[in-house]
Amino acid sequence: GIQVEQSPPDLILQEGANSTLRCNFSDSVNNLQWFHQNPWGQLINLFYIPSGTKQNGRLSATTVATERYSLLYISSSQTTDSGVYFCACREDSNYQLIWGAGTKLIIKP
Amino acid sequence: DVKVTQSSRYLVKRTGEKVFLECVQDMDHENMFWYRQDPGLGLRLIYFSYDVKMKEKGDIPEGYSVSREKKERFSLILESASTNQTSMYLCASSPDREWHSNQPQHFGDGTRLSIL
Repeated sequence: GIQVEQSPPDLILQEGANSTLRCNFSDSVNNLQWFHQNPWGQLINLFYIPSGTKQNGRLSATTVATERYSLLYISSSQTTDSGVYFCACREDSNYQLIWGAGTKLIIKP
Repeated sequence: DVKVTQSSRYLVKRTGEKVFLECVQDMDHENMFWYRQDPGLGLRLIYFSYDVKMKEKGDIPEGYSVSREKKERFSLILESASTNQTSMYLCASSPDREWHSNQPQHFGDGTRLSIL
């Protein structure tokens, strides 16, 4: 089955810094989502982005499906951006989302 | 906005009890999912359902069962709770009837279940 790898596993930044999180996947996908899990455990949809580029405020994401990766950009980081960022993909013949291990982001004031 | 509601945010039960976790979605979604999340192991799929009264095993179904009598409600049942079922449980839904039409999954806030 499909493999999903995220990097880096951990990231510590000062408030105001920019960051790029990466998600690599091993096969073609028809669904790719980025999630943010806050320190209280709530899992929030950020982007549904099987291909192309989307932006939402300080966050943007790009998926290059032909090269099997997706990037999540966070600009001007705030402490509320802290948490774990997950990438999850679904391959063409399966209901299941396959999850990456996540990137743990800590934004220091 | 899609709303996925899990009945409890925190739950404490005893070993051997039968435990019910309830999930309701308000968007007429076809698919519903139950995951558990444990430190270092990420999200693992327990069961999913693609229609009323239909269910499929996920990666870790042992010790669990599910019920989907109505389209909007998907229940996870721990038949005889054990301490290794202490975890965060997350419910999700998505609208596609055909898997290839692909739509995003939307999650509830999670239930932190402790089995003593």
